[in-house]
Amino acid sequence: GQQLNQSPQSMFIQEGEDVSMNCTSSSIFNTWLWYKQDPGEGPVLLIALYKAGELTSNGRLTAQFGITRKDSFLNISASIPSDVGIYFCAGQPPGGTSYGKLTFGQGTILTVHP
Amino acid sequence: ETGVTQSPTHLIKTRGQQVTLRCSSQSGHNTVSWYQQALGQGPQFIFQYYREEENGRGNFPPRFSGLQFPNYSSELNVNALELDDSALYLCASSLETEQFFGPGTRLTVL
Repeated sequence: GQQLNQSPQSMFIQEGEDVSMNCTSSSIFNTWLWYKQDPGEGPVLLIALYKAGELTSNGRLTAQFGITRKDSFLNISASIPSDVGIYFCAGQPPGGTSYGKLTFGQGTILTVHP
Repeated sequence: ETGVTQSPTHLIKTRGQQVTLRCSSQSGHNTVSWYQQALGQGPQFIFQYYREEENGRGNFPPRFSGLQFPNYSSELNVNALELDDSALYLCASSLETEQFFGPGTRLTVL
């Protein structure tokens, strides 16, 4: 099935470092969502973006909705060990029959070394 | 905690069998979406239910079917199970755009 192009696939960083990951798509989206998933759990919503150009923060997390509506990035500042997990971007296409159908990226596996 | 619950947590079936997975949505949410997540992949959209009607479907065969009940809880049914159906099945409830996921049901098909 169709997926977003998410990069990098994995990251190994030291505690305290900043992290950046992004998603690109060949088609436009009306909404971008960023989720974190721990092993054996469902994805947990971190940030939701609704407008092109929107920049939103949630604590140490900052995400932006690209101007072209085809990309988004997520930054994590001053990483801590509990940031470990898999991060997914998800896009929701414009309305009609595709409404509510989230398309997910392949995920970025984040490892934080103390 | 999202308030979305799923049962069972784990399930083992054999090829050709049928399975029913259940989801209780967050209080007040009238929409439930189902996703299949294979190991190492992002979730793939199966279908969505809004007020007891199917409201969008992904690229899954008809042997994947669902129901939504008046209390907005939902079931996912899979007939004639195949080995490739082994995955984590996630449901997500929503009222508007933001979808909140349950913990998933891990299905293994032998």
